[in-house]
Amino acid sequence: DAKTTQPTSMDCAEGRAANLPCNHSTISGNEYVYWYRQIHSQGPQYIIHGLKNNETNEMASLIITEDRKSSTLILPHATLRDTAVYYCIGDKNNDMRFGAGTRLTVKP
Amino acid sequence: DTGVSQNPRHKITKRGQNVTFRCDPISEHNRLYWYRQTLGQGPEFLTYFQNEAQLEKSRLLSDRFSAERPKGSFSTLEIQRTEQGDSAMYLCASSFRGGIQYFGAGTRLSVL
Repeated sequence: DAKTTQPTSMDCAEGRAANLPCNHSTISGNEYVYWYRQIHSQGPQYIIHGLKNNETNEMASLIITEDRKSSTLILPHATLRDTAVYYCIGDKNNDMRFGAGTRLTVKP
Repeated sequence: DTGVSQNPRHKITKRGQNVTFRCDPISEHNRLYWYRQTLGQGPEFLTYFQNEAQLEKSRLLSDRFSAERPKGSFSTLEIQRTEQGDSAMYLCASSFRGGIQYFGAGTRLSVL
């Protein structure tokens, strides 16, 4: 599985878009990019995943660069409840390798 | 669909004791995964099952750890002769044919 690199922490103002970057320069052609988040003391929650194309669901949008070496998770209108640790994972074998993630703090 | 259920939520034990955790996956999911998470770190993969077969084990899974999924439904994770370093959150996840993994709330183990 690809090694991913994410900033340790980020802040976002409530109501604004949160853009969380992830580098996965060693990703292989058949590896998906998954995003999960973990709110304190809970299990990780699936957000979105993609292979090549940009994806959108009710929670977020995922923008993957054309060379697939990086991606950005977008929370369009962040709320205080979006404060969490966000993990970007490159996965093909389904044995997901989580890094330390990005701690997103949404501030009022 | 009640989601992935893990029991107990918390377990406190003394060093040297054996502990067992249970995970009940989402009912139609054939894959089940165990992870361990220590404070400030992301979850670390331990092992996974497809139906009742254990297909992969991380080197983190020492010989004191054993996992079973006898009928391809619920799974147990046992730690023998617990050590203080085993203190962590143990997470279970399930998926259908290797798709999106859905996680339980975890079992927090404290070894005194």
